[in-house]
Amino acid sequence: GQNIDQPTEMTATEGAIVQINCTYQTSGFNGLFWYQQHAGEAPTFLSYNVLDGLEEKGRFSSFLSRSKGYSYLLLKELQMKDSASYLCAVPFSGGYNKLIFGAGTRLAVHP
Amino acid sequence: DAGVIQSPRHEVTEMGQEVTLRCKPISGHDYLFWYRQTMMRGLELLIYFNNNVPIDDSGMPEDRFSAKMPNASFSTLKIQPSEPRDSAVYFCASSSGLAGVSDTQYFGPGTRLTVL
Repeated sequence: GQNIDQPTEMTATEGAIVQINCTYQTSGFNGLFWYQQHAGEAPTFLSYNVLDGLEEKGRFSSFLSRSKGYSYLLLKELQMKDSASYLCAVPFSGGYNKLIFGAGTRLAVHP
Repeated sequence: DAGVIQSPRHEVTEMGQEVTLRCKPISGHDYLFWYRQTMMRGLELLIYFNNNVPIDDSGMPEDRFSAKMPNASFSTLKIQPSEPRDSAVYFCASSSGLAGVSDTQYFGPGTRLTVL
C-alpha cells in the first residue's frame, strides 16, 4: 500500500536551521515532491527529487534516499515567513500524475 | 500566465442546496485535479481528468458529488445535495502530465465551502 509519514508540528527560531522529515512506502517510485502551504492559501511547489542525494535551491534543500524510503526538507536561515505547512507527496504506486500527499508538517518560526 | 483560476473563493450555503465549484486550468496543461482539504483528513484527491476525460474518480465520496470537464479550459465540481460534512476547502490543480518534475501540480487558490 501507500503510506507517507511526517511529523505533525515543529517549532524553530528565526535564523536557525530546521529539518522536516518524510518517510514513504510505495509499490514503485517515481519521484518525491515537497510543497509549501501557508495558512489559508494553496500549496505551492518547492522541490522534486528522483535521484538519491541533496538538491539545493537557495535557503531550501531537499534530500532523498530511495533505499530507505526517506526524504527531508532542510530550511536554512529561517525567516518568519517560513511559518507554514510543508507537505511531502509521491506519485501513486510509482506511476505518474496522481499524487498521494502526506498530512503535512506545520512549522512555526518564532523570533 | 494567470495560473489556475477557481470560483467562487468562498461559498456559504444551507444543507440540501446544490453547490457548483468552477476551475480554469493553466493553458496547455492536460491534467486537471480536484482535491478536498480538511483538518481531519488533510489533502484528498477526489477526481482527475486527462484531456477532459475522467481517469480516476475513486476519491469521490459518494453520488452526491459529480465532476465534469466539457473542454480543456473549464471544469466543474458539483455537490447535490450538500451536507454540513462537505464543509472544506476545495482545490483545483493542473499539470502538464509529463513524467518527472513536469508532473508538478499547480494549485488554484481554492474555494472555501461552508454548509450550514
